[in-house]
Amino acid sequence: KAGVTQTPRYLIKTRGQQVTLSCSPISGHRSVSWYQQTPGQGLQFLFEYFSETQRNKGNFPGRFSGRQFSNSRSEMNVSTLELGDSALYLCASSLAGTPSTDTQYFGPGTRLTVL
Amino acid sequence: DQQVKQNSPSLSVQEGRISILNCDYTNSMFDYFLWYKKYPAEGPTFLISISSIKDKNEDGRFTVFLNKSAKHLSLHIVPSQPGDSAVYFCAASAYTGKLIFGQGTTLQVKP
Repeated sequence: KAGVTQTPRYLIKTRGQQVTLSCSPISGHRSVSWYQQTPGQGLQFLFEYFSETQRNKGNFPGRFSGRQFSNSRSEMNVSTLELGDSALYLCASSLAGTPSTDTQYFGPGTRLTVL
Repeated sequence: DQQVKQNSPSLSVQEGRISILNCDYTNSMFDYFLWYKKYPAEGPTFLISISSIKDKNEDGRFTVFLNKSAKHLSLHIVPSQPGDSAVYFCAASAYTGKLIFGQGTTLQVKP
């Protein structure tokens, strides 16, 4: 069974640009969550999508948005990039998004560098 | 507001000895706790979890302890092996699909 895949793996952008990251979940998984990892901050929750609907949202500005398609693939968009957006962006998929009953499996991440 | 905290950024242990990683939380609504391990250039992988109705869960060399009154959990690795060297994240959930992670602790197991 293929794991969670994320594309691209590495990305370099300049301030003010926008970027779209993609996540393909494990087959059969309907929940996709996105996290931002920065040094010293750990993994910070961005949002979760389930059946094409945003079900949970973290405390990030509106420049961060996402969507989920009918095949459960998800995209994350960051507009008007800032230097502080440089981070590793991780997505995780699970069957139904309930941590107590099903495990979240993470992809390898997309390393975004904003210059 | 950091609801889940790992106050030790790093830990160094000799091979064969016990590794103890600690985690504190502030939200009493959390009902499920997890530990993830992360190697460089890879995503985190699930290690072990515990429900708030338990105080201990064991899986091979890994044991997680939960002290709800102190809002504290710990991960014990016995015996520690060099392959255990990684970043360990604790995480907490309040039923929803949202995991709140700590900052991580880098464990180094020396041969």
